[in-house]
Amino acid sequence: AQSVTQLDSHVSVSEGTPVLLRCNYSSSYSPSLFWYVQHPNKGLQLLLKYTSAATLVKGINGFEAEFKKSETSFHLTKPSAHMSDAAEYFCVVSDPNTGNQFYFGTGTSLTVIP
Amino acid sequence: EAQVTQNPRYLITVTGKKLTVTCSQNMNHEYMSWYRQDPGLGLRQIYYSMNVEVTDKGDVPEGYKVSRKEKRNFPLILESPSPNQTSLYFCASSPPGLSGYTFGSGTRLTVV
Repeated sequence: AQSVTQLDSHVSVSEGTPVLLRCNYSSSYSPSLFWYVQHPNKGLQLLLKYTSAATLVKGINGFEAEFKKSETSFHLTKPSAHMSDAAEYFCVVSDPNTGNQFYFGTGTSLTVIP
Repeated sequence: EAQVTQNPRYLITVTGKKLTVTCSQNMNHEYMSWYRQDPGLGLRQIYYSMNVEVTDKGDVPEGYKVSRKEKRNFPLILESPSPNQTSLYFCASSPPGLSGYTFGSGTRLTVV
């Protein structure tokens, strides 16, 4: 069975400092992993995805994530936070063998302090 | 513009009054899915569809129905809404494979 654990429900960083949002997954198969962002009162936007190619994945807006199979982790990072990064972030695991079902983490709320 | 369109964006209804939330996508995607989002619980899948006339239950299907008569449309039906179905609902679509889902803007439903 697939599942995702986002280790922090809230993260606060100062503008210009690094961002780290942690995600651990559990999967019976070689997983596909995604990060989505949800700005207030908006839908979900795909940030980046890992699909068994390069383990370091670059996404939009300067975000990247590294797939570490030995640690079953897929942490999201950004070198320098911007005010516009304040949002809810979801880590997602997918198993294409089960009809593209997505399994969401409970989300991490990122606050950026000016 | 490629998109998933949900209607309505906001809906307040009374317990027991049947309602339908529509979802349409213009990307010719095979897969479509409905999710509900509740504080502290993330998004949970209600139903999904792998193609026309092919639907299956997700994690929280109780109290919901869906149909997939056309590829582009995937309506969510609440036959007898109850207050515990007050939530933010998202429709999403995806091609087969590992592209990830494209999400609609959401429907905020309140059942009183």
